[in-house]
Amino acid sequence: GNSVTQMEGPVTLSEEAFLTINCTYTATGYPSLFWYVQYPGEGLQLLLKATKADDKGSNKGFEATYRKETTSFHLEKGSVQVSDSAVYFCALTRGTDKLIFGTGTRLQVFP
Amino acid sequence: EAQVTQNPRYLITVTGKKLTVTCSQNMNHEYMSWYRQDPGLGLRQIYYSMNVEVTDKGDVPEGYKVSRKEKRNFPLILESPSPNQTSLYFCASSPIGVNTEAFFGQGTRLTVV
Repeated sequence: GNSVTQMEGPVTLSEEAFLTINCTYTATGYPSLFWYVQYPGEGLQLLLKATKADDKGSNKGFEATYRKETTSFHLEKGSVQVSDSAVYFCALTRGTDKLIFGTGTRLQVFP
Repeated sequence: EAQVTQNPRYLITVTGKKLTVTCSQNMNHEYMSWYRQDPGLGLRQIYYSMNVEVTDKGDVPEGYKVSRKEKRNFPLILESPSPNQTSLYFCASSPIGVNTEAFFGQGTRLTVV
């Protein structure tokens, strides 16, 4: 079946460090891929998405590239800030019924 | 403001006492769903609805009911809550399907003792 695997957290970084959160997926065909972010005490909100192979999604300095050959959608940011501290979820959908989420990766950024 | 509103935000209840968590969206979205979030398990879908009077089971529907009598509302009903339903619950809505952005409520933290 379809599934998403994320690196376990927490990921702890100093401000201005480079961030990578790994995400790989298993799905037949061509899923759409998403990164959602959950700030403390809040619901999830869409960070970025990509709907076909080689697409790059980007937002707020974050980016991720849909790599079909490696079935990956790794999240990157060149210089993290304390305000980026949150839980990040990779997700996919192949149709109109549901998003399938990874387990989430907590990011903690210290000044 | 476009939003998904859940109530209550926090709830402590006892085993077996029926409860309802409400969810309302003001974006005229056809698709709505409920998820539960548990440590180490991510978000798992409980039920979803493609439109009024159309609902279907997600991955973990046991012990839950839903209804979709109006487009904007999608309540989650626990007829006889048990401690294993202690969790953080999220309602979400989107235009038809989920290839577009899903909008989430702020969550309901439920504790069943």
